Amino acid sequence: AQKITQTQPGMFVQEKEAVTLDCTYDTSDPSYGLFWYKQPSSGEMIFLIYQGSYDQQNATEGRYSLNFQKARKSANLVISASQLGDSAMYFCAMRVSPGYSSASKIIFGSGTRLSIRP
Amino acid sequence: GAGVSQTPSNKVTEKGKYVELRCDPISGHTALYWYRQSLGQGPEFLIYFQGTGAADDSGLPNDRFFAVRPEGSVSTLKIQRTERGDSAVYLCASSLHGGMGMGTEAFFGQGTRLTVV
Repeated sequence: AQKITQTQPGMFVQEKEAVTLDCTYDTSDPSYGLFWYKQPSSGEMIFLIYQGSYDQQNATEGRYSLNFQKARKSANLVISASQLGDSAMYFCAMRVSPGYSSASKIIFGSGTRLSIRP
Repeated sequence: GAGVSQTPSNKVTEKGKYVELRCDPISGHTALYWYRQSLGQGPEFLIYFQGTGAADDSGLPNDRFFAVRPEGSVSTLKIQRTERGDSAVYLCASSLHGGMGMGTEAFFGQGTRLTVV
């Protein structure tokens, strides 16, 4: 079964520290894509970073990096130098396709609520 | 448009009534997704369109839920005989296409908060 697991319901981090949000995934497809989204209290879903299953290097976008360990099926998000504005829900997601089609849907994990302490 | 637009932003309906939720995706995006999100949980996949056709409707919870995208742009999620358990935020998203690779991230609308009383 295709599934995203986020085992940290909530985390507290001191401002300016780095934080790692865990994500493991399960799929038998050789081709897949992994995403991280941020959802502040306002409710909007904000795309942060993408990693393809065939990408050799870990993705980075500013203060965000994705620690992709394919053999372990993990795709942890690392936020460096956390800021108060990073307080939000964070969702790991995976693009998966059924075997009979190249079209693919995106499924989400249950999320981690990150709170940054001043 | 500049972003994904969902209307209405809020909808209160009585149990048993019929509701329609509208999604206007980003212009040129061929893939469109509907999700349902309950408080404190992740978005739950409902249905995915590639163009006009539903490529995957495996997430629709039962036959009271139906969605269309007749011209490959605007989509409508239709819920018949609403139940209190249908109360949630319904999110719509679109992406350039439904394949793999960079640039295939989904862009989300602000959602429709449905309350069934």
